[in-house]
Amino acid sequence: KAGVTQTPRYLIKTRGQQVTLSCSPISGHRSVSWYQQTPGQGLQFLFEYFSETQRNKGNFPGRFSGRQFSNSRSEMNVSTLELGDSALYLCASSVDRGYSSYNEQFFGPGTRLTVL
Amino acid sequence: DAKTTQPPSMDCAEGRAANLPCNHSTISGNEYVYWYRQIHSQGPQYIIHGLKNNETNEMASLIITEDRKSSTLILPHATLRDTAVYYCIVRVRSAGGTSYGKLTFGQGTILTVHP
Repeated sequence: KAGVTQTPRYLIKTRGQQVTLSCSPISGHRSVSWYQQTPGQGLQFLFEYFSETQRNKGNFPGRFSGRQFSNSRSEMNVSTLELGDSALYLCASSVDRGYSSYNEQFFGPGTRLTVL
Repeated sequence: DAKTTQPPSMDCAEGRAANLPCNHSTISGNEYVYWYRQIHSQGPQYIIHGLKNNETNEMASLIITEDRKSSTLILPHATLRDTAVYYCIVRVRSAGGTSYGKLTFGQGTILTVHP
C-alpha cells in the first residue's frame, strides 16, 4: 500500500506570494491533518479534514487555509507569505470509520517551504 | 490533553536496549499514551500506544506504571537507524470537537544510537 505522498517536496517563494501544497492520503483513509514544523515552535497542528469538511482547526491565522476533495486528497494554501512561514509542512492521514475513535496517523515526508 | 515531560536527549549503544522515559503525571483515566518518532527530515512515524497494560509490537515495548503517571518506551536492540526524535503524546482515544485529527507534540527526546 502506498504511503502518504506530498507535493512538491521543496518550494521557494518570496514574501507576499501565495502557495498551495498537496497531500494524497493512504488509500481508504478519509481523515487528513496538516501540521507545521519549525525549529522554534516544533510540530503544531494546523487543521483536519474529513469528508471534505474541516472538523478541527489549530491556532493559526486565516492566511492558512485548506480543503479536501471527494477522493480525500487535500490541499493547503498559505496566502501573503511571511518569512516566519518557512517551515516543513506535514500532512497525515488516518482511517476514520465515522464513529468516535482516534486512529493512528500516518505522516507524509513533508513539503519544505522556504520564504525569502 | 495531558502534558508530558521527556528528557531532551539520550544516548544508547548499538545492540543495547534503549529505554525512553515519559512523565505524564496529570493523565486522565480515558487518556492513552502514544509514541511517535521522527527520523531526520522525515515525517513522524507511529510506534505504539497503550492505556494501562504493557504493550509490545514488532517495533517496541511500552511499559506504563500502575498509577499511569509515567511510561517507558523500550527499543530492545537499538540500531543506528533508530536515531531519531521520540515523542510521547497523551490524548483521549475518542475523537470529537477539538480532538479531531490533532496530536499535540512536545519537544521529544533526541535518541542517538552510536556504534
